[in-house]
Amino acid sequence: QVQLVESGGGVVQPGRSLRLSCAASGFNFSNYAMHWVRQAPGKGLEWVAVISYEGINKDYVDSVRGRFTISRDNSKNTLYLEMNRLRAEDTAVYFCAKEGQEILDDYYFDCWGQGALVTVSS
Amino acid sequence: DIVMTQSPDSLAVSLGERATVRCKSSQSLLYTANNKNYLAWYQQKPGQPPKLLISWASTRESGVPDRFSGSGSGTDFALTISSLQAEDVAVYYCQQYYSNPPCTFGQGTKLEIK
Repeated sequence: QVQLVESGGGVVQPGRSLRLSCAASGFNFSNYAMHWVRQAPGKGLEWVAVISYEGINKDYVDSVRGRFTISRDNSKNTLYLEMNRLRAEDTAVYFCAKEGQEILDDYYFDCWGQGALVTVSS
Repeated sequence: DIVMTQSPDSLAVSLGERATVRCKSSQSLLYTANNKNYLAWYQQKPGQPPKLLISWASTRESGVPDRFSGSGSGTDFALTISSLQAEDVAVYYCQQYYSNPPCTFGQGTKLEIK
């Protein structure tokens, strides 16, 4: 079955960096755009970043553009999120999410990982 | 960015009764070239990730019970649970994917048992 497993979360000081990983299995990873979506404690959902199926096209929500970098390794079926210059407001559970349609990036998500908690605090 | 507004913020319904969550978008989500509404509904239970219930406003995902249905077009949408079950207690989110990036979510509706 389709499975997404995030890792790399933790507690980090403001201004520092962290890298999240998302290991995918059960589907043809290289045929799907992938996303990161976050959820601050007790709050709603916020889309963060997208990467196209082949890794060429990327985009970000304005609040993280220039600080976060999404990437993927299709040979390893793994998605990444490099987070730099972290701020307290980046504290959230970060979910990786699979695009609902092959090749396209329609931005709806038919499978989600369990999430990785990132806490930015001094 | 398109703003998604759900109503109500919370809802308490008796077991076996109908529950309806509404979602309004700040602009139309209907793409006239293919006559599709770019709207999804998700269910999130405590401590779990969201689960896709419905895409394209009314297309139920495989394995989702048929008591869940989506309706609406343009700017006004609804998620209806025809007969509430105990396992349906959750927060429900609508999401537009008509105008990306960013896609945007509603604020969520918390559904409880009365």
